[in-house]
Amino acid sequence: NAGVMQNPRHLVRRRGQEARLRCSPMKGHSHVYWYRQLPEEGLKFMVYLQKENIIDESGMPKERFSAEFPKEGPSILRIQQVVRGDSAAYFCASSFDRGTEAFFGQGTRLTVV
Amino acid sequence: GESVGLHLPTLSVQEGDNSIINCAYSNSASDYFIWYKQESGKGPQFIIDIRSNMDKRQGQRVTVLLNKTVKHLSLQIAATQPGDSAVYFCADHPSGGGADGLTFGKGTHLIIQP
Repeated sequence: NAGVMQNPRHLVRRRGQEARLRCSPMKGHSHVYWYRQLPEEGLKFMVYLQKENIIDESGMPKERFSAEFPKEGPSILRIQQVVRGDSAAYFCASSFDRGTEAFFGQGTRLTVV
Repeated sequence: GESVGLHLPTLSVQEGDNSIINCAYSNSASDYFIWYKQESGKGPQFIIDIRSNMDKRQGQRVTVLLNKTVKHLSLQIAATQPGDSAVYFCADHPSGGGADGLTFGKGTHLIIQP
């Protein structure tokens, strides 16, 4: 049973471009969570999704950031018009149900140049 | 505002010794706490959790202690091994479970001396 898969592992974007980060949850998991980690910092919650629904987006920046988890396919975190401050590691986690143990992926390291 | 923080950014211990990593939290409503281990270049890995109705929980070589009076929890690792080298994060959740809305501390880097 493969774990949470994130791709790409590393992503370099120029300022103003779009970044698309993908997360495939563990098999059987329908709950997905996105976190951001700045250098030397802990993880910060961004958004919680269940299939086709955004449950909690209280940690998402109001502009340029969006997330989806379609019925088929991976969850996508999309950052439009990236800026240097978006450079961070973005982690996805999944769980079978809300309140059950969540498993994290290896993360996508975004660098904006 | 709510914060979860660790007392020391780096902890260096001798291989075979016991390690104690401390964490303070500020939200009295926090009901669920988790310790994660993060190795370089990897995602956080669940180690152990504890709910607010407990003050101690033991796992394999690890023990978590929770003191609600002073809003403090600690992670004890027995007989530290080289593979224990990592950054350790405490995280809390206000409603008892799940990974939505976890508040992470900044982490303690555990270094194992041979």
